[in-house]
Amino acid sequence: AQKVTQAQTEISVVEKEDVTLDCVYETRDTTYYLFWYKQPPSGELVFLIRRNSFDEQNEISGRYSWNFQKSTSSFNFTITASQVVDSAVYFCAPRDSGAGSYQLTFGKGTKLSVIP
Amino acid sequence: GAVVSQHPSWVICKSGTSVKIECRSLDFQATTMFWYRQFPKQSLMLMATSNEGSKATYEQGVEKDKFLINHASLTLSTLTVTSAHPEDSSFYICSASSGLGTGHTDTQYFGPGTRLTVL
Repeated sequence: AQKVTQAQTEISVVEKEDVTLDCVYETRDTTYYLFWYKQPPSGELVFLIRRNSFDEQNEISGRYSWNFQKSTSSFNFTITASQVVDSAVYFCAPRDSGAGSYQLTFGKGTKLSVIP
Repeated sequence: GAVVSQHPSWVICKSGTSVKIECRSLDFQATTMFWYRQFPKQSLMLMATSNEGSKATYEQGVEKDKFLINHASLTLSTLTVTSAHPEDSSFYICSASSGLGTGHTDTQYFGPGTRLTVL
């Protein structure tokens, strides 16, 4: 079973500022997967990243970067030079590694508002 | 790639009627599909997991007879809300995964959601 905490309920930043969204998870698995999804006002969840627990390298994709710290069970997400289009609710979601177990456990989400 | 569609995007119905929502994977075969429910300003709540050709597995507290799920093909799953009542009004979202467990193929890709309003 997984548990995830996104302590920041809402964040507001001014356009072009950097912002970090926190995610802390709990798991008894030694191998697991972590996901981030974005939900803009339209409602559709957009897949952002999938990370294996055994790959601790940080990842950068354009203005997005992820800092995975297995020792502290955190998988934080940073948006550099934020834009208005980044305004959305962001969900962190761990997943079990068990065969056939593809269920995600969603955090409560962090609502990001980027002010022009 | 990895596009999931849902139909309808919104529906308004009278209390007591049944509503069917379709979820389709457009460019991949979805061995596993998931149905979620989301209340305003809240997180997603998993309702059930369905594997193609098998009966759906429902989460605790979800009424099987009320929320009928059919996953008859590798690209289509349907959720039927039977005898809908106002408390069933919600945002229903499906996701699909090829479920092979390797690479990115086990990633869940989400549909755009269906907003159900029961009067």
